[in-house]
Amino acid sequence: GNSVTQMEGPVTLSEEAFLTINCTYTATGYPSLFWYVQYPGEGLQLLLKATKADDKGSNKGFEATYRKETTSFHLEKGSVQVSDSAVYFCALRRLDSNYQLIWGAGTKLIIKP
Amino acid sequence: KAGVTQTPRYLIKTRGQQVTLSCSPISGHRSVSWYQQTPGQGLQFLFEYFSETQRNKGNFPGRFSGRQFSNSRSEMNVSTLELGDSALYLCASSLAEVSYEQYFGPGTRLTVT
Repeated sequence: GNSVTQMEGPVTLSEEAFLTINCTYTATGYPSLFWYVQYPGEGLQLLLKATKADDKGSNKGFEATYRKETTSFHLEKGSVQVSDSAVYFCALRRLDSNYQLIWGAGTKLIIKP
Repeated sequence: KAGVTQTPRYLIKTRGQQVTLSCSPISGHRSVSWYQQTPGQGLQFLFEYFSETQRNKGNFPGRFSGRQFSNSRSEMNVSTLELGDSALYLCASSLAEVSYEQYFGPGTRLTVT
């Protein structure tokens, strides 16, 4: 079946550190992949997306590359800020009849000044 | 353009009661999805409506129901509340039937005592 697995949190980093949040998926075909972010007290916001293999999504300094060979979509940022503290969700869009989004469990990121 | 709005933002109910939550999508969006978010289960899909028709449904008991009106506003109802229904309920809207890019509201925090 379709599933998304994210690294467990919380992930705690110092400001300006390099960030990687791992995401791997199981799906048939070539699903679209997404990263959403949830800031404290808010709903989820789309951070970036990729629709086919080798695509790189990017936004606000974050990047993720759709790796078909390793079924991964890891989120990276070169230099994190305190304002990046949030929960990050990886998701895929099913390609069968209902196109439902399948979500990872979320990874809480804490950035210390 | 106004974002997705959800009312009320906070709600406290007792076991056995019922509750109705409301969601107003972004103007022009015809698809509305509902999610339940809890620390233990993460983000779980409840249902999706498009043009007043339920298109998809998650694995929740029949106590959870919803509807969409002709102006695309949506409501969800939970009857016979249980303690385990305490959660953040998120609504998301999108332009098209296929939930490609969803825009989330801030959520309704439901506490069942």
